[in-house]
Amino acid sequence: DAGITQSPRHKVTETGTPVTLRCHQTENHRYMYWYRQDPGHGLRLIHYSYGVKDTDKGEVSDGYSVSRSKTEDFLLTLESATSSQTSVYFCAISESGPFNSPLHFGNGTRLTVT
Amino acid sequence: SQKIEQNSEALNIQEGKTATLTCNYTNYSPAYLQWYRQDPGRGPVFLLLIRENEKEKRKERLKVTFDTTLKQSLFHITASQPADSATYLCALWRGSNYGGSQGNLIFGKGTKLSVKP
Repeated sequence: DAGITQSPRHKVTETGTPVTLRCHQTENHRYMYWYRQDPGHGLRLIHYSYGVKDTDKGEVSDGYSVSRSKTEDFLLTLESATSSQTSVYFCAISESGPFNSPLHFGNGTRLTVT
Repeated sequence: SQKIEQNSEALNIQEGKTATLTCNYTNYSPAYLQWYRQDPGRGPVFLLLIRENEKEKRKERLKVTFDTTLKQSLFHITASQPADSATYLCALWRGSNYGGSQGNLIFGKGTKLSVKP
């Protein structure tokens, strides 16, 4: 497995509370991504990073923010969690851009917002 | 809008047979298409990438074809085994007009393959 660690693996939180999910990689890859996976929707890109402090929005970025202050860490923050953000969140990394480079995924964080 | 569809939610086959999974897309011609395997409770694992100028690519018992005229990719597993049981995802890259400066890799919903002994 590629060296990707997501924490926590499971979290239950209440509506309106802030939540931060962490992705840590040991591969020194430039690109990092946050996806969410929901039944009936498949994997959808939330945000991604193409370098330290370089981030961009994906297709479902509303309600989420990200930060990348070091190559190895990519944080996803839900400023005020809502029930619609209950999902499984996957972090992924790639050596080069998503157009021609395989993505390597972590094992996910299951987030439940009550 | 761009759509990517995997035509079966589930596929059941007998051990030893060839499994064929289909991925169709509309409104866009991707330069690259990827296939992933996902086991329950785990993240997707990359299997194969095929470029639009490659009609076919193989890796051990896996074969992927890419027909840009039909807008379709086929994923074959020959001599299937129960250990091949998993959900298989196709993904294509959508250019920078659709999701950020680097574009976006969009995924189909997956086909759950079950191989019976």
